[in-house]
Amino acid sequence: QQQVKQSPQSLIVQKGGISIINCAYENTAFDYFPWYQQFPGKGPALLIAIRPDVSEKKEGRFTISFNKSAKQFSLHIMDSQPGDSATYFCAASLTGGGNKLTFGTGTQLKVEL
Amino acid sequence: DTGVSQNPRHKITKRGQNVTFRCDPISEHNRLYWYRQTLGQGPEFLTYFQNEAQLEKSRLLSDRFSAERPKGSFSTLEIQRTEQGDSAMYLCASSLVYLGRGSGANVLTFGAGSRLTVL
Repeated sequence: QQQVKQSPQSLIVQKGGISIINCAYENTAFDYFPWYQQFPGKGPALLIAIRPDVSEKKEGRFTISFNKSAKQFSLHIMDSQPGDSATYFCAASLTGGGNKLTFGTGTQLKVEL
Repeated sequence: DTGVSQNPRHKITKRGQNVTFRCDPISEHNRLYWYRQTLGQGPEFLTYFQNEAQLEKSRLLSDRFSAERPKGSFSTLEIQRTEQGDSAMYLCASSLVYLGRGSGANVLTFGAGSRLTVL
């Protein structure tokens, strides 16, 4: 039972371009939506997160867009750099449910020179 | 603070053997989570502790799996009679949650994981 669906599975972007990763969720009770970045051999690291009371959050080159009615959210990476090459996971959690994260299946991003 | 530490980083075992993984969370964190990650997939929740109390176990956690956090600090995850399907990365994460307050961001900090290969 996959509660958070993520696409695309992989993405190749040119240096300086915009990377866009999309996620859709099913459980309308979810109230916290983080994005994690994972490099090979490392654990996931929190990149940016949003709550459903706002439609957009920006931190540096990273922006989350959130559409509550469509139950979708996306990560935009502006001015993508080779150092951004990693696997990105969207996730969702319910505060009253122990805050345990339900992850998407991941997007492998490669930024080419 | 050196973050979340997991040991061993890699474990190769034969089917039927028992294995144990250890997680040392960030010292002031009161919550500890175990996740399992297979190749090409996102981490899947296994169980979590609030201090020393195990509050929830996923249906993924069969009877062969047991987790403990005896003094509310480090945690161990033991897998008995390992099967090839247990091969995965086992991730530990910790967080600090202020009980009794309204919903705040529960930021999970993950360790680098313990990779298990069952032959």
